Amino acid sequence: QSVLTQPPSASGTPGQRVTISCSGGSSNIGNNFVYWYQQFPGTAPKLLISRDNERPSGVPDRFSGSKSGTSASLAISGLRSEDEADYYCTSWDDNLLTALFGGGTKLTVL
Amino acid sequence: EVQLVQSGAEVKKPGDSLKISCKASGYAFTTYWIGWVRQMPGKGLEWMGIIFPGDSDTRYSPSFEGQATISADKSTTTAYLQWSSLKASDTAFYYCARSEYASSPIFDNWGQGTLVTVSS
Repeated sequence: QSVLTQPPSASGTPGQRVTISCSGGSSNIGNNFVYWYQQFPGTAPKLLISRDNERPSGVPDRFSGSKSGTSASLAISGLRSEDEADYYCTSWDDNLLTALFGGGTKLTVL
Repeated sequence: EVQLVQSGAEVKKPGDSLKISCKASGYAFTTYWIGWVRQMPGKGLEWMGIIFPGDSDTRYSPSFEGQATISADKSTTTAYLQWSSLKASDTAFYYCARSEYASSPIFDNWGQGTLVTVSS
């Protein structure tokens, strides 16, 4: 069972805006950066959002991250069919001394 | 171009030993951390541990301490993940990934993954 909680699934139609939530605690999200990864079936994860809300080079500005307290969110605007993938949040935990991942959210573009 | 190239898929029996590799190129190997991430079939990502090849400083997740060993060889710019006695529950994809930090799950480059199947 993941200590960071994500909804198992999310969906939207092309052009819509969808958000994926990630809930944690004071020892992880509340005190450390949150990162988001995108993973397509059969491939390695790709860094999508760094340090709560920074986009690495090459990531479209349709993707954005935010954080408030012990929760974080990934927003995808102008949804496209190629956004259909699994999305994972992650953050360091100061008590467990490990990085924690959320269980992942499978995004379906209807 | 930064590249992490992992060794090929393995099929092993319970109790077997195994060492998988992650060959790094395109950057100064001794100045970045290399982490290992497990993904069991149909499941999410799990941070196993991380090594700094420059001095072999190695950190493990408490969940994986004693379960597998992380090492690195500066002369061949290769990181390794090894098991002395595999279990069926070790069946998973294993990814190596590069990071600037030990205590932060920020991985900017990933290997393609190695599938390890443990079955009698």
